[in-house]
Amino acid sequence: QVQLQESGPGLVKPSETLSLTCTVSAGFISTHYWSWIRQSPGKGLEWIGYIHQRGSTTYNPSLKSRVTISVDTSKNQFSLKLRSVTAADTAVYYCASTSGGAYAQVDYWGQGTRVTVSS
Amino acid sequence: DIQMTQSPSSQSAFVGDRVTITCRASQTISRYLNWYQQKPGKAPELLIHAAYTLESGVPSRFSGSGSGTDFTLTISSLQPEDFATYYCQQTYSTPFTFGPGTKVDIK
Repeated sequence: QVQLQESGPGLVKPSETLSLTCTVSAGFISTHYWSWIRQSPGKGLEWIGYIHQRGSTTYNPSLKSRVTISVDTSKNQFSLKLRSVTAADTAVYYCASTSGGAYAQVDYWGQGTRVTVSS
Repeated sequence: DIQMTQSPSSQSAFVGDRVTITCRASQTISRYLNWYQQKPGKAPELLIHAAYTLESGVPSRFSGSGSGTDFTLTISSLQPEDFATYYCQQTYSTPFTFGPGTKVDIK
């Protein structure tokens, strides 16, 4: 069973960059797609994007201009960078594994990390 | 983007009740529909993928049906541990989108 753990600052200032890292249990980083999903009271669950273990990415167009997802297979980690944040980016951020099968279901989730954007 | 709607937004039910939650997509998504359960303070958990394929370890009282634009999640006999919020998600096309959720609470 895949285990995921988010890490990163819980408070980010407006206009700065939100940076989160997800550590994946050993042996799995090369077998799935790796996703970031966020949840806020106002917007519900929002899919941010995912990365294939070979490095190809797909992003939500609504965030694409500000988002970068990357993977470091040597460290069993993948990361999220969201630039120029505003209060609207305040949310619980989840890292997750997405099945590489046809239906792309999110089969494992991290526990989530709350990020607040505030000065 | 494909818009997902769910009804009802909340439902009160007794233990033992049959509960049905509906999810509708703004365009046809074939069977590219997944269901998740989320309890307060926890991450969502996958219950069903591909509209009706039950995940390993999920009780058989959960079932899914539908294809195209209309889908249903049914809990045949509600148990205390089933009180939670349920979300559908389409993975037919990116950006993958979630429904707003249906909260099932105790009557």
